[in-house]
Amino acid sequence: DIQMTQSPSSLSASVGDTVIITCRASERISNFLNWYQHKPGRVPKLLIYTASNLGSGVPSRFSGSGYGTDFTLTISRLQPEDFATYFCHQSFDTVETFGQGTRVEIE
Amino acid sequence: EVQLVESGGGLVQPGGSLRLSCAVSGLTVSGNYMSWVRQAPGKGLEWVSALYSDGSKYYSDFVQGRFSVSRDSAKNLFSLQMNNLRAEDTAVYHCRSRKGDFDSWGRGVLVTVSS
Repeated sequence: DIQMTQSPSSLSASVGDTVIITCRASERISNFLNWYQHKPGRVPKLLIYTASNLGSGVPSRFSGSGYGTDFTLTISRLQPEDFATYFCHQSFDTVETFGQGTRVEIE
Repeated sequence: EVQLVESGGGLVQPGGSLRLSCAVSGLTVSGNYMSWVRQAPGKGLEWVSALYSDGSKYYSDFVQGRFSVSRDSAKNLFSLQMNNLRAEDTAVYHCRSRKGDFDSWGRGVLVTVSS
């Protein structure tokens, strides 16, 4: 299976900050990389699909980039509602995998 | 509007079996990619299995040989048969359909494997 490694596993930030989360695949996955936001008690929300495409209704302060094995999720001008856990997800292989998650906490 | 509603969860002993169902409205299970994703208590998301519209099925290593997916086109139902359950299978199981920017999840059902 393709292993997805996120970093950091958690971070503290303040409202208005810019946050960058990285995700590395154990083998090349083209641009088949998606990002999810997950809050307790809610279903995961698709933020970014195929590395850089914004999901439906997702604010433009979220952006994604990368290709091959290395990807980033950038959250600009962090808002209170952005404090959550973020997961990368590869859909290149028919056996899909998620990263372990990055928890974004209030500083 | 697409809706996915899981059922069938509960408490089961190690080695036991359970069948989860996902009742789908707003799309056809036979014409779309369907999958199961789980989240163990305090852990991250874990992809479990998928069933494509062409009938091909895929499983993660940790459930291969124990779990199987199926669909009932007449009832528009997507199912996960789980056999030989282990304590580490304890999780909330979500069914999900995804294509491009379309991504819909059920709220999930809790499966607890314990003696």
